[in-house]
Amino acid sequence: GAGVSQTPSNKVTEKGKYVELRCDPISGHTALYWYRQSLGQGPEFLIYFQGTGAADDSGLPNDRFFAVRPEGSVSTLKIQRTERGDSAVYLCASSNQRTDTQYFGPGTRLTVL
Amino acid sequence: RKEVEQDPGPFNVPEGATVAFNCTYSNSASQSFFWYRQDCRKEPKLLMSVYSSGNEDGRFTAQLNRASQYISLLIRDSKLSDSATYLCVAANTGNQFYFGTGTSLTVIP
Repeated sequence: GAGVSQTPSNKVTEKGKYVELRCDPISGHTALYWYRQSLGQGPEFLIYFQGTGAADDSGLPNDRFFAVRPEGSVSTLKIQRTERGDSAVYLCASSNQRTDTQYFGPGTRLTVL
Repeated sequence: RKEVEQDPGPFNVPEGATVAFNCTYSNSASQSFFWYRQDCRKEPKLLMSVYSSGNEDGRFTAQLNRASQYISLLIRDSKLSDSATYLCVAANTGNQFYFGTGTSLTVIP
């Protein structure tokens, strides 16, 4: 079956702009996670959804970052007033249960100039 | 202190060699443990879960030592295709997954 998909695969933007990154999880997976991965580092947890609600958003670095999952499937990560330090690969993962196997999407490579 | 710590390597080993990776986790309440594999510019993919009793999947063996809070991965008879970064993961009951920085492995012909 189809895996986790993310769009766009690459996004280049200018400092101060607004960006949206989309994640389409595996059908039927109720849990959805967003991570950020910088070069040479492991994925860093940002936010976790169980269904439509954000069960844990403690990893969001500041209030410029926000994520939604209005219908319990597709999720959008929104970054306002982007900064050069936001440049990273943003990974989305989904799973059946909270601590079950996470399946990752290919990521969105964000570059802020 | 990072939640999960790994030696970043790199580990360069010849084909057929046995190589072992260790990682430590700081939260004694961690409940679930995994090894993920990540190829260059690709997403992480689950290699195996790690159980308290230890588990084996072909050439790969994972061990968990809760008393010392470390997790290990042993790869026997290394193949060229094993070259990748191996990420150690500890998850708590609150669903937070903590990844290590990864250990880079290159298997040399």
